[in-house]
Amino acid sequence: QKEVEQNSGPLSVPEGAIASLNCTYSDRGSQSFFWYRQYSGKSPELIMSIYSNGDKEDGRFTAQLNKASQYVSLLIRDSQPSDSATYLCAVTGTASKLTFGTGTRLQVTL
Amino acid sequence: EADIYQTPRYLVIGTGKKITLECSQTMGHDKMYWYQQDPGMELHLIHYSYGVNSTEKGDLSSESTVSRIRTEHFPLTLESARPSHTSQYLCASSESRGANEKLFFGSGTQLSVL
Repeated sequence: QKEVEQNSGPLSVPEGAIASLNCTYSDRGSQSFFWYRQYSGKSPELIMSIYSNGDKEDGRFTAQLNKASQYVSLLIRDSQPSDSATYLCAVTGTASKLTFGTGTRLQVTL
Repeated sequence: EADIYQTPRYLVIGTGKKITLECSQTMGHDKMYWYQQDPGMELHLIHYSYGVNSTEKGDLSSESTVSRIRTEHFPLTLESARPSHTSQYLCASSESRGANEKLFFGSGTQLSVL
């Protein structure tokens, strides 16, 4: 089992819809959770961080964390073509080691 | 805004050459990292440093070496480049604040070894 798992996609959503990206992790003691966005040929860019159970909203982005179920998700409201990218989930485990998932490719269609 | 710089942005080089990929950050971050990423594939940690004179190998075995003589500078060296080293190399840094670690990435170096 991978430490951080994501569906590779592509996840295709129409413009204006809500995109839902999911991530599960294996280390129950994980403390910090991050979402990075990576455009093709570019470097990852941090877009959200979440540390406690519940929802955290930032503009059109909402991160959701459920430690009991060991999953973290990212919702993108009113999806735009410019949101088309690969979204990487990253988790800091008990050894303070940051582990990335393989990423989910999101395609927002016109 | 993150200030972390990598040079060169692109490098095409012949087999057997020695190369050094540069990475510098102006944020005073203690922690620095080198990741390797092939197109459409996941990030692999190859080296990291938690401070001056501290370097460790990452999860992915790499023939490269690193040094950390100054806080702001974390170069990666390949003594003898091979076609299997062709990849994108990403440098990152973060503040040393326990588990709340946010990485800032440089623009990357795309290395092609012929």
